[in-house]
Parts: sequence; structure tokens; C-alpha cells
Amino acid sequence: AQSVTQLDSQVPVFEEAPVELRCNYSSSVSVYLFWYVQYPNQGLQLLLKYLSGSTLVKGINGFEAEFNKSQTSFHLRKPSVHISDTAEYFCAVSDLALTGGSYIPTFGRGTSLIVHP
Amino acid sequence: DAGVIQSPRHEVTEMGQEVTLRCKPISGHNSLFWYRQTMMRGLELLIYFNNNVPIDDSGMPEDRFSAKMPNASFSTLKIQPSEPRDSAVYFCASAPGKGAYEQYFGPGTRLTVT
Repeated sequence: AQSVTQLDSQVPVFEEAPVELRCNYSSSVSVYLFWYVQYPNQGLQLLLKYLSGSTLVKGINGFEAEFNKSQTSFHLRKPSVHISDTAEYFCAVSDLALTGGSYIPTFGRGTSLIVHP
Repeated sequence: DAGVIQSPRHEVTEMGQEVTLRCKPISGHNSLFWYRQTMMRGLELLIYFNNNVPIDDSGMPEDRFSAKMPNASFSTLKIQPSEPRDSAVYFCASAPGKGAYEQYFGPGTRLTVT
């Protein structure tokens, strides 16, 4: 079974500083990778996704992520954060090699990004 | 597009009562997921439907939980009888295809069982 590890449960950072949220997954031949954001009292919404092609993926709100197949990682980055980026961030992986054709994504436990003024 | 619609947004009930949560997926999406989110356990997949058929219900905690999808535009998650440990936020999500693509989440139902 696929597993997704978000190494940091909480990341505090000052406004306008850069940030990286880490995500690692268990090895597989073919995967689709996602980052979701959850603002307080809301559902999750897609931030960005990697399906194929360029390993550097750009998403909404200035976020980007890089797929590293050899390290089975998909870290999320933003060069300068805003107060409004304070939220919970979830990494998710769909393993295309699972038997039975059930491509259910596996979610990480989430990383709470806290942006201080 | 109205997105995924869930009702009610908040539910407070007493232990032992039946609770029914409702979900209307995005039109044209043929995969539907029910999740439960708690501080202790994070986001847990309860059940996954594809083309209205339950594909994986291994995440349903016990027989008190049941889910149905009578048609492509409606699903329910029922808890009978409810217990305090069922208190959580329950999310419904829909996706095009078999679910390997991005999911679209509803706003959630916050359930409190006293």
C-alpha cells in the first residue's frame, strides 16, 4: 500500500520569508501527486498537481512543487509567504500501479503553516 | 458550478440518535468519496463509490456506519446509533474518472455527538 509522509506537523514562518513543506511517499513506478490546502472551517481545495511532464509544477497563490522520482519526494515551496497563507496543507498520492484499478489517493497527515507578521 | 454540496453544515445530536449526512457531487463526476477528519486521526477515507457502486468500504469504522449512492447526484452517510467518538468533520468529495485525478471537496459537516 502507498504511504505518504509529511515530515513536519507544524511550520511557523514570518511573513515574506520563504517556506518549504516536505512530502515523501513510498516507492512506485507511476504516481500522480497533489497538494491541497485547507483554510479554517473549509474543505480541502487543490493547490497544484503533477500528472506527467515537467517535474516543476506551478500552482495557485504563488506555490510550486518539484517532483523528485529518485528521492520519492514532492516538496511544496513558496518564495515569500503572506499572512493569508496560514492554513493546513495536505500532500496526496495516487498510485497508478495498484492492482484492481482502484486509484484511490492516499493523503498525508497534513502540515500546519503558521505565518507570523 | 456550485461545487460539492453537503448538508447539514453542522449537526448536534445526542448519543444513540440516528444521523444522516447528505452530499450532492459535481455534475458529471463519477467518483465519490466520504472522509472523516479528526485531530487525532487526521483525514480518513471511509468509503469510495465509482459510478454509484461502492468500490472500497474498508474504512467504514463499524456496522453503525452505512453509505448509499442511489443515483449519480446524491449520496448519504448514516450513523445509527451515534456515539460521542463519532464527533468529527465529515467531508464528501467527488472526482472525474476513477479518482486518480484531483478531488473536489465539499465544505464539510461538523458533527457533535453529546
